[in-house]
Amino acid sequence: KNEVEQSPQNLTAQEGEFITINCSYSVGISALHWLQQHPGGGIVSLFMLSSGKKKHGRLIATINIQEKHSSLHITASHPRDSAVYICAVGSQGNLIFGKGTKLSVKP
Amino acid sequence: NAGVTQTPKFRVLKTGQSMTLLCAQDMNHEYMYWYRQDPGMGLRLIHYSVGEGTTAKGEVPDGYNVSRLKKQNFLLGLESAAPSQTSVYFCASSYGGYQPQHFGDGTRLSIL
Repeated sequence: KNEVEQSPQNLTAQEGEFITINCSYSVGISALHWLQQHPGGGIVSLFMLSSGKKKHGRLIATINIQEKHSSLHITASHPRDSAVYICAVGSQGNLIFGKGTKLSVKP
Repeated sequence: NAGVTQTPKFRVLKTGQSMTLLCAQDMNHEYMYWYRQDPGMGLRLIHYSVGEGTTAKGEVPDGYNVSRLKKQNFLLGLESAAPSQTSVYFCASSYGGYQPQHFGDGTRLSIL
């Protein structure tokens, strides 16, 4: 069993839809990271959180430490949100990564 | 705003050849990391460093060596390249172990 599981693996949405990507983990962690990998390959850190909820623009990340689960929400999705979204967990920088969720937003 | 710069961006090697990948960061970060990304798998940590002169093994260190002689540079070496090392390699850095990581653009390495 993978230590970090993401669902769904692939997601297609229409522009404007509300999107949720889930991440479940089985190890003890200090922090959970959400990353975005652009179609060109570049990786950008979106959020790092250890409790509660964080919001940045149209992106919202939540974490439930007791349930070992996090969600990434995208409100009013746009084609430019098309990317692979990666969840990673760990401590002291030693991260374990999920396989990613490939999101495609159609106009 | 250079951030994290990886050199080279692409490389093709023959089995048994050696090479060094260079990662440079200009953000005065203490922590630096080398990952590999393979199709159908998540990023996997090869080696990391928590400061100048220090290195530590990650999840998949075999076949690789690293050095951090200067704070801003983290080198990844392949002494005798194998086809199994064909991958996309990412370098990242962070201010501390509990800070977001900043990634380079990746190096696509093919070993024939």
